Amino acid sequence: QVQLVQSGSELKKPGASVKISCKASGYTLTTYTMNWVRQAPGQGLEWMGWIYPNTGNPTYAQGFTGRFVFSLDTSVNAAYLQITSLKAEDTAVYYCARGTAFQHWGQGTLVTVSS
Amino acid sequence: IVLTQSPGTLSLSPGERVTLSCRASRGVSSDYLAWYQKKPGQAPRLLIYAASDRATGIPDRFSGSGSGTDFTLTISRLEPEDFAVYYCQQYGSSITFGQGTRLEIK
Repeated sequence: QVQLVQSGSELKKPGASVKISCKASGYTLTTYTMNWVRQAPGQGLEWMGWIYPNTGNPTYAQGFTGRFVFSLDTSVNAAYLQITSLKAEDTAVYYCARGTAFQHWGQGTLVTVSS
Repeated sequence: IVLTQSPGTLSLSPGERVTLSCRASRGVSSDYLAWYQKKPGQAPRLLIYAASDRATGIPDRFSGSGSGTDFTLTISRLEPEDFAVYYCQQYGSSITFGQGTRLEIK
């Protein structure tokens, strides 16, 4: 069955970087777009953007340009989200999700940014 | 496309019927609208896609309707496990989520 398994929680200091992984199983990564969704504490779901697996071409939603980078490693069937120059307001749970209507989600990765 | 959900919060009792609203700032292409249920500490769960199609394993007390700019999610008879936050999402023109409707136990 399709599964998306994300890497574990991260505690980072402001200015640091973090890279979250999302390992897919039960299907080949190149057959569906991979999305990233953020939920900050007490807030709603925000779509961050997606990456097209067959081209590796990312699209970033407004507000997620510059410090956010989506990437893929098809050899291990995994997608990645890297965030650089972390700020306190990046504290959130980050989810990967497959496709367009998101039937399949990762379990979420909590990133806490605190000095 | 901006999605506006109403109401923000609903307080209801198990067994009641509820209708949640999602209004789009312009027409949603091909009625590409989905509904999700979100509980604390869990990933969102897809309930409805293409405005009215139930996702795999979703009980038939959940139904979606609407087209163009106005969409609704109806839960015909609330079960205790249905109390959660519900989000609509359009995926016809890029992707956006509504701000959510919190369904709480009265």
